[in-house]
This record gives sequence, structure tokens and C-alpha cells, in this order.
Amino acid sequence: IAGITQAPTSQILAAGRRMTLRCTQDMRHNAMYWYRQDLGLGLRLIHYSNTAGTTGKGEVPDGYSVSRANTDDFPLTLASAVPSQTSVYFCASSDSGAGELFFGEGSRLTVL
Amino acid sequence: GENVEQHPSTLSVQEGDSAVIKCTYSDSASNYFPWYKQELGKRPQLIIDIRSNVGEKKDQRIAVTLNKTAKHFSLHITETQPEDSAVYFCAASINFNKFYFGSGTKLNVKP
Repeated sequence: IAGITQAPTSQILAAGRRMTLRCTQDMRHNAMYWYRQDLGLGLRLIHYSNTAGTTGKGEVPDGYSVSRANTDDFPLTLASAVPSQTSVYFCASSDSGAGELFFGEGSRLTVL
Repeated sequence: GENVEQHPSTLSVQEGDSAVIKCTYSDSASNYFPWYKQELGKRPQLIIDIRSNVGEKKDQRIAVTLNKTAKHFSLHITETQPEDSAVYFCAASINFNKFYFGSGTKLNVKP
């Protein structure tokens, strides 16, 4: 692994189902983030984690949960998916002392 | 929380012309302002950034200006080329924590 990887790259999901998007980074960055990207709305922060063991809510956290059991992994869970959660999801990481966000390739999620 | 507004949402220029994208932010504590470029189907990537103790920064054909009093910052691209066509996002952060993004500008450079 080099950088930050997400899985799956694309998924179609029935409404009401549970879904976990995976994110792993090998850069030893302490901060990690989940954003959703919707046309005309840019990138909106869902949840973030400044360091392993801590998480926080972003702009649009409802319907999503995260965990940060270790430095490398930051999964995003939709407990009961709804069509409004159809979006492209980007995971990102940064060294909180440096600033640059490194993004994964994105996960396209469609909820029917 | 922070609110970042970005204009215009779309911008079309002729190759060789300049392009300017503007952003405003609401939280005066924000002190780091990056710009990201996202090509079609790809991940956003950092192209330039500026910190609040600097008013302007240049990197070849791109430059960013910051007006802390007015709480706005701008991206300037000179001598645009077709490969500059992409969506550009501004963002604001306090001490590199919780980056808030603008809604994006789709730049089209016509050959």
C-alpha cells in the first residue's frame, strides 16, 4: 500500500441496509477525515479523527458513524442507508502539523 | 462552524487568458487556506496553499492572495492551458484541523 486506499470503489445498496466504507493509510498520519461530494455542494465533512482513539462530528454527521481503533484505519458506517446518502465518499488523511490533505480515490455509493 | 463560499460555480476562459476564483470565509480564527484541483473522475489534489501570516503566494502560473480583514482569498491562474480544466476547491482550516471546503468552481479552458 502506498498512500491512502478506500474500498469498495463502487457499491449499489438497498435502502435500510448497513454499509461500511473502509479507509486505510500507510503514511502514519495522525488526522483522518471522511467527506461526501455532491454536485454543487463541494466536499462536506462528515466525521474526523485527530488521533487514534478520538473522533469528532463534521458538518453532516447524521446517519454516519466512525471509529479509529488505530492510526491506519478509519471506517465509515451507514447503519441504515437512505437514498439521500447516495454520493461519492472521500477519505483523507493529514499530518496535522503540515496541513496537506491526501485523499483516497473515492467510493461511489448508490442507495436505491 | 466555518462557512466557506466560493464563486463562480463555473468559469469558461480562452486558452492563454487568466482565471480568478474567489472564496470568502466566516471564522476569523481560520489561518490556513489551501486550494485543491480535481480532474474528472479523480481525487482532489493540493495545488497551492497560504497561511494567514502571508498576503500572497506564487508558484509558476498560479498564485493565491489573502485579505484577512475582508476574510476572502482568491486563486489566480495565468496563461491558462487546456490541462488546467478541472474543478477547483478552496478550503479553510484553523491550525490544520477540520478543513471546510467551498462548493467548487468548474474551470473550462477552451483551446
